[in-house]
Amino acid sequence: KAGVTQTPRYLIKTRGQQVTLSCSPISGHRSVSWYQQTPGQGLQFLFEYFSETQRNKGNFPGRFSGRQFSNSRSEMNVSTLELGDSALYLCASSLGGTDNEQFFGPGTRLTVL
Amino acid sequence: AQRVTQPEKLLSVFKGAPVELKCNYSYSGSPELFWYVQYSRQRLQLLLRHISRESIKGFTADLNKGETSFHLKKPFAQEEDSAMYYCALRLGTYKYIFGTGTRLKVLA
Repeated sequence: KAGVTQTPRYLIKTRGQQVTLSCSPISGHRSVSWYQQTPGQGLQFLFEYFSETQRNKGNFPGRFSGRQFSNSRSEMNVSTLELGDSALYLCASSLGGTDNEQFFGPGTRLTVL
Repeated sequence: AQRVTQPEKLLSVFKGAPVELKCNYSYSGSPELFWYVQYSRQRLQLLLRHISRESIKGFTADLNKGETSFHLKKPFAQEEDSAMYYCALRLGTYKYIFGTGTRLKVLA
C-alpha cells in the first residue's frame, strides 16, 4: 500500500498570502488529521476530518481551515500568512476508529518570508 | 488544561546503558497515552500505546496515574535507537496533544 502523501513538499510564501496544502491518505483510510510542527512548540493538532466532516479541532485561529473530499483526500488552507506560520505541516491518516493507528506523511515545509 | 511535558530536549546515553525518556501529563479524564518515534529522515510513527501493554523494540512504558507519568524505558540502549521521541495524549476520539519531544542519542 502506498503511504500518506503530501504535496507540495516545500513552499515559500510571503506575509499576507494564502496557501493550500494537500494530503492523500492511505487507500481505505477515512480520517485525516493535520498538525503543525515547529521547533519551539513541537507538534500541535490543527483539525481532524472523517468522511468529509470536521470531527475535532485544535486551538488555532480561523485563518487555518481545512476540508475533506469524498475520496478522503484533504486540503488545508492558511490565509493571510504570518511569519509565525513557518513550520512543517504534517498530515496523518487512519481508518477512523478510536483504536486505529494513525500513519503520518512526510510533511510540507512552509516558509513565510 | 491538558498538557504533555517532556522535560528533556536531549538525552545522551552510551550503548548498552539503560534509557528512560520522561513524560508527564495533565488530564482530568482517563488518559490514553502513546509514544511516537521519528528516526532520521523517516516519518513519524507509532512506537507503542499504553493500552497494549506491549514491548516494542525492547521499549516499554507504564502508565502511572498517581504520578501522571508515562515514561519510556529500555534496559540496554542500541545505536539504532537514536531518534526523536514524542509522548502523546489522546483526548476523545481523535485529538492528540503531543509533548515537545526528546532527542535520544546513543553513543558508541
